Amino acid sequence: GAVVSQHPSRVICKSGTSVKIECRSLDFQATTMFWYRQFPKKSLMLMATSNEGSKATYEQGVEKDKFLINHASLTLSTLTVTSAHPEDSSFYICSARDGAGGETQYFGPGTRLLVL
Amino acid sequence: AQSVTQLGSHVSVSEGALVLLRCNYSSSVPPYLFWYVQYPNQGLQLLLKYTTGATLVKGINGFEAEFKKSETSFHLTKPSAHMSDAAEYFCAVSDRSGGGADGLTFGKGTHLIIQP
Repeated sequence: GAVVSQHPSRVICKSGTSVKIECRSLDFQATTMFWYRQFPKKSLMLMATSNEGSKATYEQGVEKDKFLINHASLTLSTLTVTSAHPEDSSFYICSARDGAGGETQYFGPGTRLLVL
Repeated sequence: AQSVTQLGSHVSVSEGALVLLRCNYSSSVPPYLFWYVQYPNQGLQLLLKYTTGATLVKGINGFEAEFKKSETSFHLTKPSAHMSDAAEYFCAVSDRSGGGADGLTFGKGTHLIIQP
C-alpha cells in the first residue's frame, strides 16, 4: 500500500515552454501533497505544500507564478513549471500524506526535468 | 527553524561490517524523525520513523535508529552491511506541532558505499 506515482518520469523541453508534472496517490486519499526539488548531489528542498481544494503554500524563495500547483482531487496534484529555463532543470519529487492522518509522507519516484 | 545535520557526506564500510550513519537535529521541541533511502534515479523509501514511545525503532532491511533527546540525535545503524545497502540515506524531521501536516526538512544526505 501507500503508492505514489509521478508522470512523466523524465522530460526534456525547450526554454520558454511549460511543463506539467502529475503526482498521484494510487491506493489512498491524500489531503496533503508536497513538492520537493532535488539538485544534483544535494538534499531535497521543500517547494510547496498542496492541500486539496485550496491554494498551495509556497516556501520562501519559491516563485508561485513560476511553479503552479493544483490539487484538484484527493489523489492528484500537479506542478506546472511555466516558461521553463535551463536553471529549472532538476529532479522534482512529490510526496503525499494519507488523509486518514499520520505523519508519514510517501514519495513518488521523481521527475527529471531538463530544459534546453 | 528546524535544521538537520548529517555528519559525513560519504561513508564507506566493508560488507558485513557495522553501518552507522549520524543525524543530529536542531529544534526547540523534539520533532518527528525519519530516515529515508534513495537508490539512483528513484524516489525516497521510508526506512523507519520515530514519533513517540520506544526510543529505539526498527525499520526495514535490518536498519534501526535510536532517538536520544539529550543528544538531539537519531543515528541510523545496521549490524551487518550488505552490498544492496549501497544508496543515499537522508535523515528528515517534521514539526511535531503540525501533526505531520508540514513538509519535511532534510539533511544533506549520506552516500553509503559498501566495499566487498
